[in-house]
Amino acid sequence: ETGVTQTPRHLVMGMTNKKSLKCEQHLGHNAMYWYKQSAKKPLELMFVYNFKEQTENNSVPSRFSPECPNSSHLFLHLHTLQPEDSALYLCASATAPAGQETQYFGPGTRLLVL
Amino acid sequence: EDQVTQSPEALRLQEGESSSLNCSYTVSGLRGLFWYRQDPGKGPEFLFTLYSAGEEKEKERLKATLTKKESFLHITAPKPEDSATYLCAVQAESGGYQKVTFGTGTKLQVIP
Repeated sequence: ETGVTQTPRHLVMGMTNKKSLKCEQHLGHNAMYWYKQSAKKPLELMFVYNFKEQTENNSVPSRFSPECPNSSHLFLHLHTLQPEDSALYLCASATAPAGQETQYFGPGTRLLVL
Repeated sequence: EDQVTQSPEALRLQEGESSSLNCSYTVSGLRGLFWYRQDPGKGPEFLFTLYSAGEEKEKERLKATLTKKESFLHITAPKPEDSATYLCAVQAESGGYQKVTFGTGTKLQVIP
C-alpha cells in the first residue's frame, strides 16, 4: 500500500462505547496529524505528532485520546463520545511540522455517534 | 487570529466555462498557501503550494496565483471530472509554532 491509509472507513458507535481509529502512512514522513471535518466548517486541527512526540493539542476534549507508537502509525482512541462528535476524521502526514511542508491526507473515517 | 475565507461557497459552471475561485487570508508570517481538492467521502488531495506573492503554479486546467492578501485558483475550460470541493489553507508561524488554517471550501459543480 502507498500513501496514507485509515481504518475503519465508517464507524457507528453509541455514546458509551470505546473505539479506536487507526492511521498508517507509507511516505517516510515524521509528522502526523488528526483533523476533524464537520459539514460547513473548516478542517479543525486536533493533534500534531512530530517524531512520535505530541507537539500540539488544540483544546480537544479528553474523550479523544491520541497515540503515536512510531512515526508511521497514529491512533485516535474514542470514549464516551457525544452526538456532536459525529464527523469525518482525517489523518495527515508530512515531512516535518515546521517549515513549508505539504500535508498528505488519508481517506478519512466517517464517524456517527448515536 | 489567522483567518481564511473562500468564495464563492458554491459555483456551478457549464463544461468549458472558465472561472476563478478566491481564497483571501489574514495571517502574520505567511509560510505557505496550499490548495487541495476534496471529492465526496474522501480526504483532501494536494494540488499546489505557493510560497510568495507573485508566484504561479499550473496543473492541467488549474492555475493558482498568490498575492499578499489572496490566492486565486483559475479553472480553464473545466470538465465534469473537475467537480469537487476546493480547499485553501495557509501556514503561518504563531508563537514559535507552524499553524495551518483551512477555509471552508468552494464546492464546484461542472455541468456537461
